[in-house]
Amino acid sequence: EPEVTQTPSHQVTQMGQEVILRCVPISNHLYFYWYRQILGQKVEFLVSFYNNEISEKSEIFDDQFSVERPDGSNFTLKIRSTKLEDSAMYFCASSELESSYNEQFFGPGTRLTVL
Amino acid sequence: KNEVEQSPQNLTAQEGEFITINCSYSVGISALHWLQQHPGGGIVSLFMLSSGKKKHGRLIATINIQEKHSSLHITASHPRDSAVYICAGNFGNEKLTFGTGTRLTIIP
Repeated sequence: EPEVTQTPSHQVTQMGQEVILRCVPISNHLYFYWYRQILGQKVEFLVSFYNNEISEKSEIFDDQFSVERPDGSNFTLKIRSTKLEDSAMYFCASSELESSYNEQFFGPGTRLTVL
Repeated sequence: KNEVEQSPQNLTAQEGEFITINCSYSVGISALHWLQQHPGGGIVSLFMLSSGKKKHGRLIATINIQEKHSSLHITASHPRDSAVYICAGNFGNEKLTFGTGTRLTIIP
């Protein structure tokens, strides 16, 4: 069964460093998302991406964040200069159609720890 | 403001019991999702519904549009059902707004 994959599963970085979190969505899906979950809190939307551009972003997704689909299969989230409060689990998701009409499939997550 | 609220926050039950988890939401929802988060953190989609009722194995999800309320039921609960169950909604766009989750523990 097709699945969303994410790498790495765990990333430890120093404050101020850049990190790139990688995702491979399901191959025929058209909509891609990043969410994050700070330990003990609920999952929060970061950004959605369709047709090679951001379709919506939350207030969390500031200038330190960027997304890219560099090669038609990978979907990446870059944090330019990490802060302690960026420590969280980051989930990538994809859906075949706009998710009001279809379920989203989630990857296993990348746990980011900023020291 | 788009909001999704769940109850209870924690639920402990004996194996075999019938489980109900509740979700209420603000006006404007276009689709409601039930998700399961495993202890390791991974999230699995269980149901997406905008009206009526859906069933998959021992899981049943219902939604009442007039009352802005959805329920997730588990029949004949089993310890392997222990997880966090999350209600999330689409409010006219593609992003999901999540509830805080219900931590379910089934005791053998």
